[in-house]
Parts: sequence; C-alpha cells; structure tokens
Amino acid sequence: DAKTTQPPSMDCAEGRAANLPCNHSTISGNEYVYWYRQIHSQGPQYIIHGLKNNETNEMASLIITEDRKSSTLILPHATLRDTAVYYCIGSHGSSNTGKLIFGQGTTLQVKP
Amino acid sequence: KAGVTQTPRYLIKTRGQQVTLSCSPISGHRSVSWYQQTPGQGLQFLFEYFSETQRNKGNFPGRFSGRQFSNSRSEMNVSTLELGDSALYLCASSRETGGGYGYTFGSGTRLTVV
Repeated sequence: DAKTTQPPSMDCAEGRAANLPCNHSTISGNEYVYWYRQIHSQGPQYIIHGLKNNETNEMASLIITEDRKSSTLILPHATLRDTAVYYCIGSHGSSNTGKLIFGQGTTLQVKP
Repeated sequence: KAGVTQTPRYLIKTRGQQVTLSCSPISGHRSVSWYQQTPGQGLQFLFEYFSETQRNKGNFPGRFSGRQFSNSRSEMNVSTLELGDSALYLCASSRETGGGYGYTFGSGTRLTVV
C-alpha cells in the first residue's frame, strides 16, 4: 500500500474552498486514492475515491495529477461542520485487500 | 438505510477479562473490517472478513480474534485484556472487498480496561 504524506494542519475561512493536498509518490498502478474524514469521537466518514481520473460527488472533488503521485481534495464551500481530520489513503484494487492504512492526516480548522 | 451498527457503545472491563464486540454491517455489504484507534497509534487495521473468511490481518497479537457469520454480522474478541487495549474499536463495511469501493464506518465501541 502506498505511503501518503499530508500536512499536519490547515486553516480555511468559512465559505471558501478548502484544498487539501496529499503526496503519494509510491502509489502503484492499481491502487486507488481514498479520502476519509473523522470528526472528533466519531467513526471516519468516506468522502471520495479515485484511480486515475478526477472525481466529483456531492461532498467534494478529487483532483489526481497525471503521474498519480499526488492529489488534492477540494471542499468547494467549507463550513464549520467540515472541521475534522482528513485522511488520504492509498489502497490496492486487488480482491484480497480490505485494509486501509491511516496516517496522521490533516487537521482542517474552518474558521468563521 | 441503516448504517453500520456497533454494540455496545461503551464498555468497561478489568485486566485479564475477555470482551466481545459486535458489528452489524449495512444490508448487502459482505466485507467487514475492524480497526483500533488510540491517541498514540492512531487508526490501525485489525482484520477484514469477507463471506465468513478472514482475508487480511493486521499486526496484532493472537489475543485479538474475530469471526463473521453467514448474515455478514461480525464479532471481534479480545482475551486476557491489558490496559493498553483501551481504545475506540471501529468496524467498517463495504459491498465488496478491495479497491473501488468506499467503506462505511460505525460509531465505534469505546473500551476502557481498568
């Protein structure tokens, strides 16, 4: 599974876009990039995942570089409820893996 | 639809005892994974079950075990509890195993060993 590197913390103004970077230079061709977030004392919440193409859903957008060595999670209009720890994870696409390796993540603080 | 349900939410046990935690996945989900979260080590993978078979295991001692039933419900057991086993235990389920599918986590069971 790919090792991922994220900044330990970031601030964002409420209503502005939050752009959370992730470096995964060792990612292999069949590894997906997943993003989860965890609000204090709750279970992690799935946000989005992608393999090669950029992805968008109702929560966020995921931009993956062409070489797949890094990605950016974009929360288009951050709210105070988006304050959480955000985890970027690389995970194999093989059928024998159900394992997510969580790093330390990025603590996003959305400020009024 | 109902989410991942973990019971109990809180548990206090004494060193040396054993404990069983339960996880009911989302209906139709066949993969169930377990994680331990502590302030010092963060989120660590324990094991994953798919169709009643353990498919993957993390680096935990044999005191930690689990199983999955035919209805995909899963239990994990910790024997001979140690103080260091105090943690939030999280269960996650997915429709299938492997990449391409997001995992839905439960709210966890907070275990305190005294």
